[in-house]
Amino acid sequence: DAKTTQPNSMESNEEEPVHLPCNHSTISGTDYIHWYRQLPSQGPEYVIHGLTSNVNNRMASLAIAEDRKSSTLILHRATLRDAAVYYCILKQVEANNLFFGTGTRLTVIP
Amino acid sequence: DVKVTQSSRYLVKRTGEKVFLECVQDMDHENMFWYRQDPGLGLRLIYFSYDVKMKEKGDIPEGYSVSREKKERFSLILESASTNQTSMYLCASSHYRSGANVLTFGAGSRLTVL
Repeated sequence: DAKTTQPNSMESNEEEPVHLPCNHSTISGTDYIHWYRQLPSQGPEYVIHGLTSNVNNRMASLAIAEDRKSSTLILHRATLRDAAVYYCILKQVEANNLFFGTGTRLTVIP
Repeated sequence: DVKVTQSSRYLVKRTGEKVFLECVQDMDHENMFWYRQDPGLGLRLIYFSYDVKMKEKGDIPEGYSVSREKKERFSLILESASTNQTSMYLCASSHYRSGANVLTFGAGSRLTVL
């Protein structure tokens, strides 16, 4: 399975944008890029996913590099409720499951 | 509107006991999963099921078994609990396979084996 590399931790000030990077240099042409986050004492929750084009939803934006070897999750205005561990995951087309790494712990400073 | 429900948030069991962790989803999902989460190791897949009575081993199936008698219910069984099975257990479900299918997780069951 293709691997992803994320920083262990990041900090952001409240109400500022946050850019969470993810490297996936061994991505295959059919791998989807998924992002999940895990708030304290909860199970992971889906944030966003994409294949080639940039994606936007109510939670975040996903910017995918043209060569697809990296991507960035963008939170447009961080709030204290966004403090969580963010996981970048590659999902093969025919696979049923996701392989989680250790993610990036985001701290939001008031 | 909880959609994946894990029966117990916290359990304490003794070594050698048989442990059942229950998971129920109300989204008519075909796929169901059991992960365990440990500090520094992220989430690791134990077993998954893509249909009733079907099961597939994940990365760390040793010491565990599963049961899926009904589409909405997926049970994780520890036949003889050991201290190294102390962990957070997470159940998830998703629709039938596709590149973009999304997992919905339960809140987790924290198991302590003494």
